[in-house]
Amino acid sequence: EVQLVESGGGLVQPGGSLRLSCAASGFTFRNYWMHWVRQAPGKGLVWVSRINSDGTSTRYADSVKGRFTISRDNAKNTVYLQMNSLRAEDTAVYYCARDGDTGYECTLDYWGQGTLVTVSS
Amino acid sequence: DIQMTQSPSSLSASVGDRVTITCRASQSITSDLNWYQQKPGKAPKLLIYGASSLQSGVPSRFSGSGSGTDFTLTISSLQPEDFATYYCQQSYSTPTFGQGTKVEIK
Repeated sequence: EVQLVESGGGLVQPGGSLRLSCAASGFTFRNYWMHWVRQAPGKGLVWVSRINSDGTSTRYADSVKGRFTISRDNAKNTVYLQMNSLRAEDTAVYYCARDGDTGYECTLDYWGQGTLVTVSS
Repeated sequence: DIQMTQSPSSLSASVGDRVTITCRASQSITSDLNWYQQKPGKAPKLLIYGASSLQSGVPSRFSGSGSGTDFTLTISSLQPEDFATYYCQQSYSTPTFGQGTKVEIK
C-alpha cells in the first residue's frame, strides 16, 4: 500500500525557517518524481514544487522561488521541503504527492495527509 | 502561468442528479488535464487524468471530456459520498489548479 506521511509542520514566526519531511513507503520511491502542494485555510490547492526521481532537477512556483528548497534522500525514501524567510501568506496545509504512473507528467496519484504550517508572531 | 477557471464555484444537487463541472484553460493544454476530489479535512484524490482516463478504483459514474481549452467533469448519478469539492489541474506546464467547485446537498 502506498503511503506518504508528512511531518515537520508547526508555528513559526515571520522570517523563520522550517523543514518539512515526507516519508514514503509501499512503492519504489527512487523511480518517482515527487511534489509539494499547499492549501491555505479555506482556500484552494496551489502547487509549490517538484523534484525528479534522482534529485537532479527541481522546479518551484514563483511565490516560493529563492525561499524554498526541495530535496530528496532516496536511501531514506524521503522528500523534504526547506522553507526559509517564511511569510504570513505561507500559512497552509502542505501536502506531498507522488507523480504517478499515468504517462502524464505532474499527475498526482497519491497524496499524504498534510502538515499544517502557521506563520505568525 | 496557465490560468484555470472552473464553473460554477458551487452547486446544489440531489442524490441521483447528473452533475457537470467545467474547466477552462487560458491557453491550449491539449489533453493534459486532471480532476481531483477533496472532502473536508482530507487530502485530494485523483479521479481523472489525461482529460478522460479514469483513475484505477474510481467509480464509473465519473467521466471526463474535452481537449484544448475546454474540459468537463460529469457525475452521471450523484451519490451521497460525492458531496465534496472538485478541482481541475493542468499538467501541460508548471502545474496550476482551478479554484474549485463545491458540490453541496440540495
